[in-house]
Amino acid sequence: AQSVTQPDIHITVSEGASLELRCNYSYGATPYLFWYVQSPGQGLQLLLKYFSGDTLVQGIKGFEAEFKRSQSSFNLRKPSVHWSDAAEYFCAVGVSNDYKLSFGAGTTVTVRA
Amino acid sequence: GAVVSQHPSRVICKSGTSVKIECRSLDFQATTMFWYRQFPKQSLMLMATSNEGSKATYEQGVEKDKFLINHASLTLSTLTVTSAHPEDSSFYICSAGVNEQFFGPGTRLTVL
Repeated sequence: AQSVTQPDIHITVSEGASLELRCNYSYGATPYLFWYVQSPGQGLQLLLKYFSGDTLVQGIKGFEAEFKRSQSSFNLRKPSVHWSDAAEYFCAVGVSNDYKLSFGAGTTVTVRA
Repeated sequence: GAVVSQHPSRVICKSGTSVKIECRSLDFQATTMFWYRQFPKQSLMLMATSNEGSKATYEQGVEKDKFLINHASLTLSTLTVTSAHPEDSSFYICSAGVNEQFFGPGTRLTVL
C-alpha cells in the first residue's frame, strides 16, 4: 500500500518570503500525486497534480511542485507567500486504477506580517 | 472544475441518535464517491468507497453497520452514522471524480 510522509508539521514564513513544503511517498510504481489546501473548517481545494510528463507542475495561486522519482518526493513551492496562504496543506497519493487517495499528515503554514 | 456539495454543513445531535449526511455531485455523474473522516488537527482518513448500485467498500477498521452508505443515484451518496456517540464527533468529507477528486465542503458532526 502506498504511504505519504510530510515531515514538517508546522512552518512559519514571513509574508513575501518563499515557501517549500516537503512530501515523500512510498509506492512501487509511479503514483498520481496531488497537493491540496484546506482552510479552517473547509473542504479541500486542489492546488496541482502530477500524473505523467513534465516533472515540474504549475498549479493555482502561484504554486508549483516538482516530482523527483529518485527521491520519491513531490515538494510544493511558492516564490512569495501572501497572508492568504496561511492554511493546512496536504500531499496525497493515488494509483492509476483506483481513485482512492492516501493523505499525508498535513503541514500547517502560518504567515507572519 | 466540478462541484461536490454536502448537507448539512454542521449537525449537533444527542448520543444514540442517527445522523444522515448527503454528498451530491452537482454537475457530473459519479459512479464512485469516497467518504473521509478528519479529526481535529489531523489528516483525512478514508472510511469507505461508495459504489452506485452496489454495496460500499469499507476500509479496515471501519464498522459498516455503524456507518451506513447508500449510493442510490449517480449524483447522490449518503452516509448515515447510526447510534452516534461522542467519539463519532468529527469532520466528514466526501469526494467524487475521475482521476481528479473533487471534495465537498465537509460536515461537522458533534455528538453530545
